[in-house]
Amino acid sequence: GAGVSQSPRYKVAKRGQDVALRCDPISGHVSLFWYQQALGQGPEFLTYFQNEAQLDKSGLPSDRFFAERPEGSVSTLKIQRTQQEDSAVYLCASSLSGAAGDLAKNIQYFGAGTRLSVL
Amino acid sequence: DAKTTQPPSMDCAEGRAANLPCNHSTISGNEYVYWYRQIHSQGPQYIIHGLKNNETNEMASLIITEDRKSSTLILPHATLRDTAVYYCIVRIGSSNTGKLIFGQGTTLQVKP
Repeated sequence: GAGVSQSPRYKVAKRGQDVALRCDPISGHVSLFWYQQALGQGPEFLTYFQNEAQLDKSGLPSDRFFAERPEGSVSTLKIQRTQQEDSAVYLCASSLSGAAGDLAKNIQYFGAGTRLSVL
Repeated sequence: DAKTTQPPSMDCAEGRAANLPCNHSTISGNEYVYWYRQIHSQGPQYIIHGLKNNETNEMASLIITEDRKSSTLILPHATLRDTAVYYCIVRIGSSNTGKLIFGQGTTLQVKP
């Protein structure tokens, strides 16, 4: 597709369940980012991949959060034993180049997000 | 990355110019100013970025003061579809991750 695609768009989970959120970046994009957006707040950085390498996971809130991008394309964000405070919109973004590349190629393009509600 | 300060909300009449201010008084020489916007239920959308010169593209104009401590995003002819949260972000041009640090943004309401 032409843009970043995320699935599912909505996910309802019972507290304690594991969830997996998928991101299909723009084809050929080297960098992939995950952000978490709580209601009424701006997005907050979770983790960053350059190709298949996870170069920064400093924003992951706990060890229940895990992200992977095994072939340097599709990425999955997994949340284990979900808690109510995990309820948020999870946004994925991709950019053409690595972080140190040409700024024009460094623009992040966002998907529409996955809205996770933990009951 | 330097912190930014934006007014929480603004109104604009349809067809008029919308001028959205941003203060970034601690910006350093290698930090760029980026603007994104987020329309309800969508992901953030890139608008424009600049270092020290004024910039213009098909969406907006970015005016950066000479001392670079503040900037203004200008939407020349606002439409109802420009109603959104606008984020001003300052970040290093080439950083280890390129992550964006969003603040609270300005909620722009364009009114008919």
